[in-house]
Amino acid sequence: DVKVTQSSRYLVKRTGEKVFLECVQDMDHENMFWYRQDPGLGLRLIYFSYDVKMKEKGDIPEGYSVSREKKERFSLILESASTNQTSMYLCASSPGSAEYFGPGTRLTVT
Amino acid sequence: GQQLNQSPQSMFIQEGEDVSMNCTSSSIFNTWLWYKQEPGEGPVLLIALYKAGELTSNGRLTAQFGITRKDSFLNISASIPSDVGIYFCAGPPHPYNTDKLIFGTGTRLQVFP
Repeated sequence: DVKVTQSSRYLVKRTGEKVFLECVQDMDHENMFWYRQDPGLGLRLIYFSYDVKMKEKGDIPEGYSVSREKKERFSLILESASTNQTSMYLCASSPGSAEYFGPGTRLTVT
Repeated sequence: GQQLNQSPQSMFIQEGEDVSMNCTSSSIFNTWLWYKQEPGEGPVLLIALYKAGELTSNGRLTAQFGITRKDSFLNISASIPSDVGIYFCAGPPHPYNTDKLIFGTGTRLQVFP
């Protein structure tokens, strides 16, 4: 079974803090993705990566950065958290076509 | 850009009833994926379809890849309370680049005992 894990299920951070969300997959997938999910807006792609040290912007990259130093790990970074970044964050990995999701991190920025 | 429209947006049904939902696109897809998301969890892949006309089952779930390649259908037979969740269709927007997906807006299913 594909396993995608995210470092935290729930996080509460203050405005202006630097936030790291970690994602690890154990299936040697080339592709990894970060989404955020908000009511009424569906899943929106923030960043994705096709390979180690490679990253590409998704549809809403502003305010975020990513890091992929190892194939199995893809990190999402909020340089200075803001209240409009309160959301459910979902990581996914894929060998191509189907994506496999982690359980999500619900981030609240106060 | 390409969009995936799902219908219905929500369904409220009695336990034991069958459920049908569909997903349509204005352009051709080469792959259709169906996911289920339960409250507070990440989406889980239910069924993947790779060929026009393909009919695939996973337990009580059956999905079909439409002949026109612009639609897909998901049926759930004899629904039970644990079928509650949001069902998403998804597919790669580019025929020769299957690495990124676009997602439908979701069908929210509520099952009453």
